[in-house]
Amino acid sequence: NAGVTQTPKFQVLKTGQSMTLQCAQDMNHEYMSWYRQDPGMGLRLIHYSVGAGITDQGEVPNGYNVSRSTTEDFPLRLLSAAPSQTSVYFCASSYSLQTQEETQYFGPGTRLLVL
Amino acid sequence: SQQGEEDPQALSIQEGENATMNCSYKTSINNLQWYRQNSGRGLVHLILIRSNEREKHSGRLRVTLDTSKKSSSLLITASRAADTASYFCATHLQGAQKLVFGQGTRLTINP
Repeated sequence: NAGVTQTPKFQVLKTGQSMTLQCAQDMNHEYMSWYRQDPGMGLRLIHYSVGAGITDQGEVPNGYNVSRSTTEDFPLRLLSAAPSQTSVYFCASSYSLQTQEETQYFGPGTRLLVL
Repeated sequence: SQQGEEDPQALSIQEGENATMNCSYKTSINNLQWYRQNSGRGLVHLILIRSNEREKHSGRLRVTLDTSKKSSSLLITASRAADTASYFCATHLQGAQKLVFGQGTRLTINP
């Protein structure tokens, strides 16, 4: 199993540009989530999904969109990038948050710089 | 403010010593998890303790949970240089389908 994969590893954007951060998992996990990590702020939840077709907002959803058309993929879209979105983005998955299988598996992260 | 707050923010000890990190939270939880992050990497799950458990062990790790004080501690015994990393607690809130992470403790083990 590849686990949780994220692409790209690093991206530079100009203010106002849009892009999609890709996340995929091959563990048949129902639950997927996106976090951003900023110095001194820990990880903050952006959006999450409990299954295909179901998404919900986390703590800091503004400026980001998500969709979950398949179990495997959970892309994060920045519609109009702003310097405040400069961060490291992590995707995570788990079998569920409703059962015993709650361990989160994290991807390697995408480092985003918005100029 | 954050659901989970960790203390201390940074900890530096000598190899072989024990390291203790604490996590406090505000609302009722289903479980509390601890994760480790090596510099520039994704987080790795260490241990999960449920709200009806008081103590759990895994190798050199010992986690305690006091739901009356809304706090948890992570003890790493006989520390090694490879334990140098940031450690995060994450709480699964009751009635919610999300994990909330603390700000982390940066642990440095000096050889």
